[in-house]
Amino acid sequence: AQSVTQLDSHVSVSEGTPVLLRCNYSSSYSPSLFWYVQHPNKGLQLLLKYTSAATLVKGINGFEAEFKKSETSFHLTKPSAHMSDAAEYFCVVRDLSGNTPLVFGKGTRLSVIA
Amino acid sequence: DSGVTQTPKHLITATGQRVTLRCSPRSEDLSVYWYQQSLDQGLQFLIHYYNGEERAKGNILERFSAQQFPDLHSELNLSSLELGDSALYFCASSPGFERNTEAFFGQGTRLTVV
Repeated sequence: AQSVTQLDSHVSVSEGTPVLLRCNYSSSYSPSLFWYVQHPNKGLQLLLKYTSAATLVKGINGFEAEFKKSETSFHLTKPSAHMSDAAEYFCVVRDLSGNTPLVFGKGTRLSVIA
Repeated sequence: DSGVTQTPKHLITATGQRVTLRCSPRSEDLSVYWYQQSLDQGLQFLIHYYNGEERAKGNILERFSAQQFPDLHSELNLSSLELGDSALYFCASSPGFERNTEAFFGQGTRLTVV
């Protein structure tokens, strides 16, 4: 069965410094991977998705992620954190079978310190 | 705005009661997913409907049921409610269930059982 592991439950960075949120996946087939963000008391918004077209994926708000098959990783990065980036981030996998729902990681809470 | 509408936004009810949560997907989407988000369990997949038919079932209790109507809106029925059912319930939709398609999430219904 497919799964994702988010390696940090909480990450704290200073405003203007880089952000790294780590995600490892497990999938029997070539996966489709996503990052979603959830701001307090809000729904889930798609940041970016990987679907095998390119290993480096650019998303909204300056975020990007790199798919590394050899490391089974899909880490989310941003060069410079902004206060508005403080939120919960979820790494998500969808398997090749297509009938599988989106499987969520447990989430990483990002705090940005002024 | 994702285009997915969930009603009501908040619901407070007593143990033993029954409630119905409603979801209107994006106009072009045939797939509807229900997820439960709680502090201890994270985001758990409940059930997936595609064009009126159940496609996949996750960790959905027997006290819970769902359906998707001909106009593609969906309802999640929760009965014999327990304190532990208090959670944020999300509906999401997508055009189909192909591996490359992301899901669009509503703002959620926050259920509090007292």
